[in-house]
This record gives sequence, structure tokens and C-alpha cells, in this order.
Amino acid sequence: DGGITQSPKYLFRKEGQNVTLSCEQNLNHDAMYWYRQDPGQGLRLIYYSQIVNDFQKGDIAEGYSVSREKKESFPLTVTSAQKNPTAFYLCASSIRGRKQFFGPGTRLTVL
Amino acid sequence: QKEVEQNSGPLSVPEGAIASLNCTYSDRGSQSFFWYRQYSGKSPELIMFIYSNGDKEDGRFTAQLNKASQYVSLLIRDSQPSDSATYLCAVNGDAGGTSYGKLTFGQGTILTVHP
Repeated sequence: DGGITQSPKYLFRKEGQNVTLSCEQNLNHDAMYWYRQDPGQGLRLIYYSQIVNDFQKGDIAEGYSVSREKKESFPLTVTSAQKNPTAFYLCASSIRGRKQFFGPGTRLTVL
Repeated sequence: QKEVEQNSGPLSVPEGAIASLNCTYSDRGSQSFFWYRQYSGKSPELIMFIYSNGDKEDGRFTAQLNKASQYVSLLIRDSQPSDSATYLCAVNGDAGGTSYGKLTFGQGTILTVHP
């Protein structure tokens, strides 16, 4: 099956903890993206990567970090510097500039 | 700041009616436009995309693009209760610019189709 997988589906974080969200795709897409969605809101771009070993900040990168060591993988770390991390996190991939397809999402809650 | 605005909603239509969802964008250089459907608690699903001025039809869905007016719309004919969802408009950055490949999303319009 071709697609995008995200894990875990639900994640709980204590204050001061860093947590890492996984995103894997087997669509052979060059570009990958991380979005955040808050209740009743649209999607806001956190980071994106157009090619392996390169990535750029999106509109709300503060408190987040990423890596892109493999074409298939684009993990997102939510650091303790992110003061309000409770949200729905969505990973997407695409051929650059073309249609983006989304994974099922990770719902992060701060305890 | 590039912006994408959608009609605020929520939009309620009777089953069998046409639902009309509208979106305006600020970046005149944008080249490609997308409509996503998002059911509650789920991730967005791409349902339509359009690159050229005019209409594009796919089943019960029609996307309309007017670049001069910076306006894109989605029409859903013969609306069904299963169409009840949030619809997100997304716009790609200027193909000649550094934002190419980045989508800017509207805030979404909630559609309810009642029997």
C-alpha cells in the first residue's frame, strides 16, 4: 500500500518534555511538510522540506525542530520551548509544487 | 503575508441542493488551487484541484477559478448528508518565487447537509 503514515495517533506530553512525531511516506515524493491545526482553524505550516538534507521554516516554526536524513522520513520534534503544543499535527507529502497528500495525523495533548 | 479567505459559514443546505463554497486569495502570482474535505477528527482529503481559469468538473464537484478576480469556488451538486464536513481551500505559492510548493490554507467552511 502506498501512503503516508504517522505515529503515534495520540501522544501525551508532560511540561518540559520534548516529544518526536514520526512521519513516513512510500510515495517517492521529494517534498514533505508539517502542519499544525487548532480547533476550528485551518492548517498552519510549521516546517517543510523540498529535498533530503534540506528544510525551511514555515509560518510557526518556533519551538519545533525537524530533520530530513532520508527521503521517506520527516520527523518533527516538539520541544519544551513550544508553550502551547496541544494541537492536531498533520504531515503531508507531494511532488514539489503539486498536490499534497496528508497522513492520518497525531493528536498531541499536554498534561 | 499571503492570505486565503473563505466564506465564514457554517453553511447549511438541504439534501439534493447545490452547496457553494467560496475562497479568495491575495497572492496574484498563485498558480494552483486545491479543495480539501475534512471530516471531524480526520485528516484533510484532496477532492479537487484546478490550475487554469474556468471550470473543472469531477462527478458532483465543480471547481471554478477566476485569476483576474483572485477567486476560486467549489460547487457540490445533489448534496448528500455524507458531504457534511469542513472544506478547506488551499493556494500554492508563486511558481517563480521562494514560496512555490508551500500551501496557504483558508480557515475552512463547515458544511452541513440536512435530510
